[in-house]
Amino acid sequence: GAVVSQHPSRVICKSGTSVKIECRSLDFQATTMFWYRQFPKQSLMLMATSNEGSKATYEQGVEKDKFLINHASLTLSTLTVTSAHPEDSSFYICTGGAYNEQFFGPGTRLTVL
Amino acid sequence: RKEVEQDPGPFNVPEGATVAFNCTYSNSASQSFFWYRQDCRKEPKLLMSVYSSGNEDGRFTAQLNRASQYISLLIRDSKLSDSATYLCAVRRYNKLIFGAGTRLAVHP
Repeated sequence: GAVVSQHPSRVICKSGTSVKIECRSLDFQATTMFWYRQFPKQSLMLMATSNEGSKATYEQGVEKDKFLINHASLTLSTLTVTSAHPEDSSFYICTGGAYNEQFFGPGTRLTVL
Repeated sequence: RKEVEQDPGPFNVPEGATVAFNCTYSNSASQSFFWYRQDCRKEPKLLMSVYSSGNEDGRFTAQLNRASQYISLLIRDSKLSDSATYLCAVRRYNKLIFGAGTRLAVHP
């Protein structure tokens, strides 16, 4: 199947700092990618749809000014968690792919101290 | 009410057992249906798509009932390696919506 990479795989930061997570489609072009967040023992919650060359579409309750998404090319989407706080600690996963099959990145585990 | 609901489990079963997971979805506009497997601290992996006619892949059988908005997954002859969390997912337009997952623990 297609490959999606994420970087970093794990990040620990202090409260108040900003963290950038990269999501790359390695062997296909993705006009649309999706960002999910998963808290321990909970479901993957869709945060936003990242659209190449245009603004991201955010799900209800997700602060667009806090979670900045940039999709500048067909193979790269970035999520920046601005002024991270401990409650932002979570597993962030991106996906991309065809209509009927999404390929998941390996996820980024963010811990905010 | 969540859009996709699953029994969280855990289901603790011996090797060789048959186990069934259920999932319901609330939005009739849902178009495609899937089961994913997620191991601890890893990304989900697609297990199988689910069709109204039912589909089988080895020891796994999935079924969709659109009228009842109900999806099921049956695992026969459980193996230790089947221990994981099983996520039900529905696609509505271009979005994948996940259930909270059902945890399965298979013991010797």
